[in-house]
Amino acid sequence: DQQVKQNSPSLSVQEGRISILNCDYTNSMFDYFLWYKKYPAEGPTFLISISSIKDKNEDGRFTVFLNKSAKHLSLHIVPSQPGDSAVYFCAAKDDYKLSFGAGTTVTVRA
Amino acid sequence: NAGVMQNPRHLVRRRGQEARLRCSPMKGHSHVYWYRQLPEEGLKFMVYLQKENIIDESGMPKERFSAEFPKEGPSILRIQQVVRGDSAAYFCASSPRDPGLSEAFFGQGTRLTVV
Repeated sequence: DQQVKQNSPSLSVQEGRISILNCDYTNSMFDYFLWYKKYPAEGPTFLISISSIKDKNEDGRFTVFLNKSAKHLSLHIVPSQPGDSAVYFCAAKDDYKLSFGAGTTVTVRA
Repeated sequence: NAGVMQNPRHLVRRRGQEARLRCSPMKGHSHVYWYRQLPEEGLKFMVYLQKENIIDESGMPKERFSAEFPKEGPSILRIQQVVRGDSAAYFCASSPRDPGLSEAFFGQGTRLTVV
């Protein structure tokens, strides 16, 4: 039962443009949402998070938007840089347990 | 402040052997989580431990898999009589005393290959 879904397995974007990653969830008990970035052969690295009581959180080039009524969140990266090329995982927390999406591979073209 | 340390990074086992994966949490962290990532999939929760206690093992297969987090030393994920389907990347994460809204910090993972 996939409670967190990332329907786009890959995204290609030109350097300097905006990257938009999407994530949908089904469990209304999730109260905290996180994005992780992962390079090959490394562990996921925390990127940004948002509480369910907010609809937007911004940190530098990264902004996460949450639409609770639609059970949807998105990550915006602007401007995209070559070092942003990685796999991005959306995760949702219910108490202590994280449920992850399958990931979106982002490739930033020069 | 060292991050979450996992070893070995790569582990090759023959079918039927035992695999032991170790995880040392970040300093001051007493909560440990194990996740498994199969190819082309996201990370799947396996088990949540605090020192000397298993809090939730609902994501762990009922047979052959066990986990511990002793008072002293690293957390161990043990897989007995490994099969090819156990081949995956196993990630450990830790968080501080209050897991509430804390972000979990992940180790680099152990890649288990069963031949």
